[in-house]
Amino acid sequence: DTGVSQNPRHKITKRGQNVTFRCDPISEHNRLYWYRQTLGQGPEFLTYFQNEAQLEKSRLLSDRFSAERPKGSFSTLEIQRTEQGDSAMYLCASSRMAGGGANTEAFFGQGTRLTVV
Amino acid sequence: QKEVEQNSGPLSVPEGAIASLNCTYSDRGSQSFFWYRQYSGKSPELIMSIYSNGDKEDGRFTAQLNKASQYVSLLIRDSQPSDSATYLCAVKHPGNTPLVFGKGTRLSVIA
Repeated sequence: DTGVSQNPRHKITKRGQNVTFRCDPISEHNRLYWYRQTLGQGPEFLTYFQNEAQLEKSRLLSDRFSAERPKGSFSTLEIQRTEQGDSAMYLCASSRMAGGGANTEAFFGQGTRLTVV
Repeated sequence: QKEVEQNSGPLSVPEGAIASLNCTYSDRGSQSFFWYRQYSGKSPELIMSIYSNGDKEDGRFTAQLNKASQYVSLLIRDSQPSDSATYLCAVKHPGNTPLVFGKGTRLSVIA
């Protein structure tokens, strides 16, 4: 399977616990995005990497959220001290930067559905 | 002000008809435009991309872009019940910026 892979697919956690999600992008894709989606809404941008560099982080993103992409390959998204409002689908997407800095199409993984109880 | 606007629907069309989905965006510098299909409980699936003014056709799908009017649309010909899904419009500004999504339009194709 050469698509974007996310793990786990589902996560149920108690409020106050920490959770970590993993995303493996399409190989040779140097851009990796994290989005969050709640029911009836479009994906909301969280953060974005080009290779191992985190280029942008949404100002809506709480300090409880952190993401890494060591060595420019897979990425992890950690949420500390989870709250019920964190319940959502967390989506990862990857794309390749073409010549001249143009961005090519982004492809999504299957998502991780988080439920905070 | 939202950057990407879509009518949330639902848009109901009979099987075999043409479904027309619309999207407007606020940033005139936007350069890349994408349509994603999302089935309930699933992740978005890329169906079309368009970068220049005019029409782009791929099978039953046609994307239309009008940068002067800041408007992009998706036409689905010969709509099938399996086309019933939420269609997300996404826009990208130039440079190192992420995709910005609209809320999506829910399409229902009635057999």
